Amino acid sequence: AQKVTQAQTEISVVEKEDVTLDCVYETRDTTYYLFWYKQPPSGELVFLIRRNSFDEQNEISGRYSWNFQKSTSSFNFTITASQVVDSAVYFCALSDPFWGQGGKLIFGQGTELSVKP
Amino acid sequence: DTAVSQTPKYLVTQMGNDKSIKCEQNLGHDTMYWYKQDSKKFLKIMFSYNNKELIINETVPNRFSPKSPDKAHLNLHINSLELGDSAVYFCASSQDQGPGDYTEAFFGQGTRLTVV
Repeated sequence: AQKVTQAQTEISVVEKEDVTLDCVYETRDTTYYLFWYKQPPSGELVFLIRRNSFDEQNEISGRYSWNFQKSTSSFNFTITASQVVDSAVYFCALSDPFWGQGGKLIFGQGTELSVKP
Repeated sequence: DTAVSQTPKYLVTQMGNDKSIKCEQNLGHDTMYWYKQDSKKFLKIMFSYNNKELIINETVPNRFSPKSPDKAHLNLHINSLELGDSAVYFCASSQDQGPGDYTEAFFGQGTRLTVV
């Protein structure tokens, strides 16, 4: 069965600190997608990144970076020089084998990040 | 233009009532979903439709009935509302862009349902 674990329920940092949000997944599929979403206090779900299982390149987008390691089934997310606006709940998600034809995303429990000024 | 829009954003209703949540996407996507987010923020799939065909119905009480009149719309009707139905309901859509190339899920802004 597929599963996503975000072991950190809450993280609190001070502005300008770097912070890494962990995501570990379980799947027997060889082809799958991994995603990160941000849910700010306003409640909407904001897409951050999509990565397919064949692309293990790390990605950097501004202050955000992602480290995908198939060997450890992890897809971790790092925010460099955190800002108060980064305060949100962050979700990691894994696609099921039928993603693209009506399949689902399996979400982790979410990590609530609080960045204090 | 909003890509995935749901109405209403807030819904407060009494137990036993019937209510509907509407969802529309203007992205031209073939697949639409309903997800439920509970009070602990956990997100779980309820339904998915691909080209108007029901694909996933994930252990949802049959008081919940999705309806997809066309590929751009997926509405959620809930009969005989119960206190435990209080949650945030998210509509989403995605697209198959070709062999092995699928988009992310684009989510609506959510509907906060409170049953009193």
